[in-house]
Amino acid sequence: DTGVSQDPRHKITKRGQNVTFRCDPISEHNRLYWYRQTLGQGPEFLTYFQNEAQLEKSRLLSDRFSAERPKGSFSTLEIQRTEQGDSAMYLCASSSDRVNEKLFFGSGTQLSVL
Amino acid sequence: KNEVEQSPQNLTAQEGEFITINCSYSVGISALHWLQQHPGGGIVSLFMLSSGKKKHGRLIATINIQEKHSSLHITASHPRDSAVYICAVRYTTSGTYKYIFGTGTRLKVLA
Repeated sequence: DTGVSQDPRHKITKRGQNVTFRCDPISEHNRLYWYRQTLGQGPEFLTYFQNEAQLEKSRLLSDRFSAERPKGSFSTLEIQRTEQGDSAMYLCASSSDRVNEKLFFGSGTQLSVL
Repeated sequence: KNEVEQSPQNLTAQEGEFITINCSYSVGISALHWLQQHPGGGIVSLFMLSSGKKKHGRLIATINIQEKHSSLHITASHPRDSAVYICAVRYTTSGTYKYIFGTGTRLKVLA
């Protein structure tokens, strides 16, 4: 296992289109996080899964955003009717339940909405 | 006021200099991470601390839980250390871990 994988690395879309991103966490990690990062800012929390259960969703996440982790392994983040303000880097991170476990990040998906 | 604040926001150093990046936080935490982010997005976890001090190569991280403050030191800095360094605090709520991130310190090391 080489770490957390995200696909695609880059996505350019027109306003109003739907986009879907995928995250494959480290295989034994049961915790999965989605973050959004804009230029010059730290990552902002979007949502969190423990196994297949979505336990928390940020108020930043409008109803155009939905995330799933159907089998407790990979996760998808879908944005419907994209807006220019959705342009950002979308980061996925995973960790295990161990107290001293680090947070492992994917390389992110850079979304540009034209 | 942000719950996690880093200083400085930007830092330019000459190769070989000793560098310190600071992180202050206002919430009770169970751990603090120092992360490194290179251009293009990839984030790597450098350290996770809950007390004391950790060292890895030329990097040293310290934390003072009572003062709610952590520092990341880079000794004998090198141009390849140029990156954004992000402090992230972990706290426990309702049985789950949550993280709050600082906005990062942009470090440029000149040859």
